[in-house]
Amino acid sequence: SAVISQKPSRDICQRGTSLTIQCQVDSQVTMMFWYRQQPGQSLTLIATANQGSEATYESGFVIDKFPISRPNLTFSTLTVSNMSPEDSSIYLCSVDPGTSGSYEQFFGPGTRLTVL
Amino acid sequence: RKEVEQDPGPFNVPEGATVAFNCTYSNSASQSFFWYRQDCRKEPKLLMSVYSSGNEDGRFTAQLNRASQYISLLIRDSKLSDSATYLCVVNPIYSSASKIIFGSGTRLSIRP
Repeated sequence: SAVISQKPSRDICQRGTSLTIQCQVDSQVTMMFWYRQQPGQSLTLIATANQGSEATYESGFVIDKFPISRPNLTFSTLTVSNMSPEDSSIYLCSVDPGTSGSYEQFFGPGTRLTVL
Repeated sequence: RKEVEQDPGPFNVPEGATVAFNCTYSNSASQSFFWYRQDCRKEPKLLMSVYSSGNEDGRFTAQLNRASQYISLLIRDSKLSDSATYLCVVNPIYSSASKIIFGSGTRLSIRP
């Protein structure tokens, strides 16, 4: 298994500002993922973050809006740029430890973002 | 058509009842299937993987029907603590490096 922490746990931000969310894992993992969960909705994958390479973004998400860093195998950041109220959501990071025979993803506790 | 579809519910059943959820997926090449549970204001957590032969974990039974491209979750003798949203998850490629796709979730509420 993997233990994941996220900072901040929640924030209230003004329109037009940016917020960087940190994700820390207690073990080295190759694949990290960033998801968004809007109120009452399921999880939508934003991007896959690989250490040493550019993040891979899903349709509808772009690097200018959601820049991602992955400086090492235990840490990643997601920035929500030039925020608008539509960005109000829960942002979750997850990892796939790649344990043999299992494709389970472990999730961080999430960052609850409210944009005014 | 959504890649993974679930009945959103909510299912409201009495304690002790048996309840079943279904989930359909559109990509016939999908190889790995899971049920996750998400409690209110918490992150999703793996409930169980779904194997081709079906599998059981205590009161929970998961089944896979590849021909009809659906998976199911059966909960027997439901407890109040089973109240949660159950997410059907599909990994379309047989690789730990691929993305997983979440269904919209089925809300379950167990009443005393």
